Amino acid sequence: AQKITQTQPGMFVQEKEAVTLDCTYDTSDQSYGLFWYKQPSSGEMIFLIYQGSYDEQNATEGRYSLNFQKARKSANLVISASQLGDSAMYFCAMITAGNQFYFGTGTSLTVIP
Amino acid sequence: DGGITQSPKYLFRKEGQNVTLSCEQNLNHDAMYWYRQDPGQGLRLIYYSQIVNDFQKGDIAEGYSVSREKKESFPLTVTSAQKNPTAFYLCASSIGSRGLFQPQHFGDGTRLSIL
Repeated sequence: AQKITQTQPGMFVQEKEAVTLDCTYDTSDQSYGLFWYKQPSSGEMIFLIYQGSYDEQNATEGRYSLNFQKARKSANLVISASQLGDSAMYFCAMITAGNQFYFGTGTSLTVIP
Repeated sequence: DGGITQSPKYLFRKEGQNVTLSCEQNLNHDAMYWYRQDPGQGLRLIYYSQIVNDFQKGDIAEGYSVSREKKESFPLTVTSAQKNPTAFYLCASSIGSRGLFQPQHFGDGTRLSIL
């Protein structure tokens, strides 16, 4: 069964606007972690942000924030004040017990000047 | 600086030839992983290793082999049995079971093409 679902294959956002990238997950574990990675066209995977299942507050890292809705099993990434350099693929990922990682299929974000 | 080094950055394979992709990490991580990424697609797990001298097949292990003789190294061999090896290969590591829910760290990848 697919563990991570990213339903937006491609997204466009105007420079300086905010954008939300969707991610839903499926696990029966009570304890798990959620990550977002950025992959520019050069190919490297850059870790952006982490949210633990027991964290009560949404994670934030600079312009990135994770909108964590546990009951809905969603972990959406919000990028504020988009920049041209934000154009990339974005992957949602989950880690569960036993150190098992699961990745979504990714969302391609294009920032328009 | 600690990190993951993949080499070479670009690799070309002739038909019927085995090639080995290198992955070295100096992060003192226990777990290491190999992923394959096709153009416009997500990551697919080939093999992973939680400790030295032990590794498990991922979702697409056929045509690939690995070894984990040292903690720092996790080379991937693409054998001639892999009929469609052209792809981008990413190596990753994580602290493993010693640390609770730590992210994977990735190398810069190797692009493999068939001549």
